[in-house]
Amino acid sequence: SQELEQSPQSLIVQEGKNLTINCTSSKTLYGLYWYKQKYGEGLIFLMMLQKGGEEKSHEKITAKLDEKKQQSSLHITASQPSHAGIYLCGAHRSYNTDKLIFGTGTRLQVFP
Amino acid sequence: DSGVTQTPKHLITATGQRVTLRCSPRSGDLSVYWYQQSLDQGLQFLIQYYNGEERAKGNILERFSAQQFPDLHSELNLSSLELGDSALYFCASSVMGTGDRGNREGYTFGSGTRLTVV
Repeated sequence: SQELEQSPQSLIVQEGKNLTINCTSSKTLYGLYWYKQKYGEGLIFLMMLQKGGEEKSHEKITAKLDEKKQQSSLHITASQPSHAGIYLCGAHRSYNTDKLIFGTGTRLQVFP
Repeated sequence: DSGVTQTPKHLITATGQRVTLRCSPRSGDLSVYWYQQSLDQGLQFLIQYYNGEERAKGNILERFSAQQFPDLHSELNLSSLELGDSALYFCASSVMGTGDRGNREGYTFGSGTRLTVV
């Protein structure tokens, strides 16, 4: 089983709608990253959260890391077709490693 | 352009063959990470090199090996290829190795090499 579970696995929304993607771990996360991937292309860094309770926003995308640092959510406001792609969360498993493990991914489609 | 260069972009080869994937990290980055992405396994960490030395190992098969050269570029060698090795192989780079606590820029990924084994 995956160490990082994302939900939902896929999402189809109408343009303009809000949506949330979750990333859940059974263990404490050290450094939580959100990436976006267009189909068959490389990963684009979105943002990184480290402290419990931390929240960051970039344009219409907001990410939060819960207090216990075991779950993160990515919220997109007023979705646009340009938001379509695969969203992946990544995390360090311990303080002493910079190896990133990744979640299962959420495929987002936005239709007009 | 992310600054991480991977070649070739596409590779089609037969079972049993050996291939080499190449990665040039972003200028100034000392760490290189290799990942495999397949439909059923998602994005899996294979191996990390830092300044020429192996730093961390993940789910890398014995048929696979990697190295990082003095100019910091890295190569991933895949041998005795099987159909199940068909996947996207990504290289990523970052400034530091162990101890890079939450690189605030994240890792920079290349655009990947799509390997198809027939």
